[in-house]
Amino acid sequence: DTGVSQDPRHKITKRGQNVTFRCDPISEHNRLYWYRQTLGQGPEFLTYFQNEAQLEKSRLLSDRFSAERPKGSFSTLEIQRTEQGDSAMYLCASSFRGSNEKLFFGSGTQLSVL
Amino acid sequence: AQKVTQAQTEISVVEKEDVTLDCVYETRDTTYYLFWYKQPPSGELVFLIRRNSFDEQNEISGRYSWNFQKSTSSFNFTITASQVVDSAVYFCALKEDPGTASKLTFGTGTRLQVTL
Repeated sequence: DTGVSQDPRHKITKRGQNVTFRCDPISEHNRLYWYRQTLGQGPEFLTYFQNEAQLEKSRLLSDRFSAERPKGSFSTLEIQRTEQGDSAMYLCASSFRGSNEKLFFGSGTQLSVL
Repeated sequence: AQKVTQAQTEISVVEKEDVTLDCVYETRDTTYYLFWYKQPPSGELVFLIRRNSFDEQNEISGRYSWNFQKSTSSFNFTITASQVVDSAVYFCALKEDPGTASKLTFGTGTRLQVTL
């Protein structure tokens, strides 16, 4: 069990560029979540997958954001035309259905939009 | 809508002191879960405890203890004999509707600094 891994750990980009983050959940976990955390705040829910199906999206997830989880394994989160307000830590978490949401988090990807 | 309030933004204690982190929540559901997570400087949130809304028994785990009181909508967390390694940001979180895989709502966190 290697835990939830996220790549990259840090990403610096210029406004208007596209960025993509990857999350590898714990292998037997069928649920995967993306959260966003800004400085001094708690994590905020963005979206959730059960296997390959994206079942819930937050209103925070504008149409510039898209997430996928092909084959129900790893997931990617893409942000198109980045804005300075997108600067945040993007956290991935996974859980096993029936665990009543004991989430295992990765270390996050810190995005800085210049 | 659900809400979690952690009024203490930062607490500083000297090692071996006891410290209590406060959490107050709001929900219209009668069935829900409450959580505490720890976020050390590495950034990875670590699960500490989950409490079902029907279970108001207080819990002790080593130096950690939790006091859940539905009457005051509070779920406070106490560290006994604090250590430097306890320094982290602690988040309280709420999950409504346990029958579904709905999202956690986090508080804004309390930064705990334990010094020698």
